Amino acid sequence: AQTVTQSQPEMSVQEAETVTLSCTYDTSESDYYLFWYKQPPSRQMILVIRQEAYKQQNATENRFSVNFQKAAKSFSLKISDSQLGDAAMYFCAYKRRKYGGATNKLIFGTGTLLAVQP
Amino acid sequence: DVKVTQSSRYLVKRTGEKVFLECVQDMDHENMFWYRQDPGLGLRLIYFSYDVKMKEKGDIPEGYSVSREKKERFSLILESASTNQTSMYLCASSFSGGANQPQHFGDGTRLSIL
Repeated sequence: AQTVTQSQPEMSVQEAETVTLSCTYDTSESDYYLFWYKQPPSRQMILVIRQEAYKQQNATENRFSVNFQKAAKSFSLKISDSQLGDAAMYFCAYKRRKYGGATNKLIFGTGTLLAVQP
Repeated sequence: DVKVTQSSRYLVKRTGEKVFLECVQDMDHENMFWYRQDPGLGLRLIYFSYDVKMKEKGDIPEGYSVSREKKERFSLILESASTNQTSMYLCASSFSGGANQPQHFGDGTRLSIL
C-alpha cells in the first residue's frame, strides 16, 4: 500500500524568506501524481501545485515550486518570498495514474503547519 | 470556479443519533468523496462515489454509510453517532476524465458528538 510521510509537523518562516516543506512517499508504482494542498484557517483545501511522475521537470506555480526526486521518492515544496497569507496547513498527497474506482483516491500525509512571522 | 458546498460548518449531535452530512457540487463532477480530518492523522477517506448510486468504501468506512441519488449531491450518514466520530469532515469532488484531475474541497463540517 502507498503511504505519504510529512516529517515536519510545524514550520516557521520570516516574511519574504524561503521555506521548504518535505514529503516522502512509498509506492511500487512507476506512474502516479503528486500534489500539494494548502488548508488556511478558513478551512477550504486549495490545490497549490501538482507533479506528474513521468515528467522530470519540476513543477512551478509562481512562488511555489517542487523538488521532485523520483528515485528517492521525495517531493518537497519550496515557497519563495513568503507572505502572511501563506500561513496554513500544507498537505502532500499521492494518486495512482490508473483510472477508475479506488484508483481515484488521494492518499494524504499528516500535514505541516506553516507559520509566517512578520 | 468549482463550488463544493457542505450544508453545515458546525454541528453538535448526541450519542446514538442518526446524523446526515450533505454535500453539493455545481460542476457536474462524476467523483465525490468524504474524508475525515483529525490532528496528526491527516485526511482519511471514508467513502467515495464515481457515479450516481455507485459507491466504494475508503479506508475507514466503519460506522458510516453514504447516499448518492443525484449526481450533484453526496450524503454521509452516521447511523448511530458515537463520541469517537467527533471530527472534521471534508467533502470533495473531481472529474473522472484523467487521473491528474484535482479534487475540489468544501469548507468542512466540524462535528461534535456529545
